[in-house]
Amino acid sequence: QITLKESGPTLVKPTQTLTLTCTFSGFSLSTSGVGVGWIRQPPGKALEWLALIYWDDDKRYSPSLKSRLTITKDTSKNQVVLTMTNMDPVDTATYYCAHVLYAAFDYWGQGTLVTVSS
Amino acid sequence: EIVLTQSPGTLSLSPGERATLSCRASQSVSSSYLAWYQQKPGQAPRLLIYGASSRATGIPDRFSGSGSGTDFTLTISRLEPEDFAVYYCQQYGSSLTFGQGTKLEIK
Repeated sequence: QITLKESGPTLVKPTQTLTLTCTFSGFSLSTSGVGVGWIRQPPGKALEWLALIYWDDDKRYSPSLKSRLTITKDTSKNQVVLTMTNMDPVDTATYYCAHVLYAAFDYWGQGTLVTVSS
Repeated sequence: EIVLTQSPGTLSLSPGERATLSCRASQSVSSSYLAWYQQKPGQAPRLLIYGASSRATGIPDRFSGSGSGTDFTLTISRLEPEDFAVYYCQQYGSSLTFGQGTKLEIK
């Protein structure tokens, strides 16, 4: 059974760096073809993809946010970490991590709401 | 970056009716990389369809996907009360994008 769970701060100040951790079980990020992605959703708005990392350490980023994002994995801990620099109130959103299957996200975490405010 | 435009923005139907949701891409999308999701309030999205027409595990057969190139469709053959939700399409080509969503509401 695949599960994922996001963790990190619920409140960050403008200009700070956000660090989110996705802890998963039921699969290994050392298995060929496996990937984990991050997606966010501002309140009442649509989904926005942020980043992906694959078993071979191939990393993909949203072009519009690439300069602010870093995604890494710790295979031994079954974790994927996303950092986003220079946070702004418009980055207030629920942040999800998800397992990748055939270029789609088949298992999702519950999401974590991050508010950016001074 | 490929832009996905979903229509209509809101669809009002009654249980038992057929729902047809559209997703149009600004450039051609490989059918292998087009997916549909359902999201209910306060919940994470749920994968319904991947590869344009393959149902994800546990998805009822009243949900079907079709299309190719720039035009894709999600069809719900006979609406159940639990189907009223927001639906998103997603593509993964050179980058990955979601549509803006279609809200399916009870008429």
